Amino acid sequence: QQPVQSPQAVILREGEDAVINCSSSKALYSVHWYRQKHGEAPVFLMILLKGGEQKGHEKISASFNEKKQQSSLYLTASQLSYSGTYFCGTEGGNQFYFGTGTSLTVIP
Amino acid sequence: DSGVTQTPKHLITATGQRVTLRCSPRSGDLSVYWYQQSLDQGLQFLIHYYNGEERAKGNILERFSAQQFPDLHSELNLSSLELGDSALYFCASSPGTVRTYGYTFGSGTRLTVV
Repeated sequence: QQPVQSPQAVILREGEDAVINCSSSKALYSVHWYRQKHGEAPVFLMILLKGGEQKGHEKISASFNEKKQQSSLYLTASQLSYSGTYFCGTEGGNQFYFGTGTSLTVIP
Repeated sequence: DSGVTQTPKHLITATGQRVTLRCSPRSGDLSVYWYQQSLDQGLQFLIHYYNGEERAKGNILERFSAQQFPDLHSELNLSSLELGDSALYFCASSPGTVRTYGYTFGSGTRLTVV
């Protein structure tokens, strides 16, 4: 039931854009996105509830397609501070599952 | 500072021993969750407490147990430790259901079993 993320890893230059995808085999009620820097705790970015909404957080936004059971995280004009591992998270029954993770590295 | 406090930050112990990890949730949050993160396993859900009651169990071993006290702090007890238990253990809190509010994570306890 763990959602699958793609790509597994991506390297960007500052200012470039990236898309991270999250796909689940189960029906989704909500999708969360978190960023974790090496050796630190995951930090909550945003949550998208059922309804296909799109949300934004600075230059980071996300969409949620409940029919396709997918979510995408969009990072525009990437900054060095965006480096880290991004996790999506989805609910299944009474449990919450984090995705497989996407390592994002932004270089100057 | 996220408001979620975990102690200790680091713990080194021998196989077969027992340890207790402590978590104080963010003020006002009633839900406490425990997660284990190891290099090859990602973030694995262990257990969820809401206002003192166990609400959900994940892949938590029988050697592990947890509880949430009336003041809402929580403890995760790990016993008969094995080398494979070495990992980062995170506590997270939420005002209510994570469906609506999301998690606020503590800084974690790094457990090394030698």
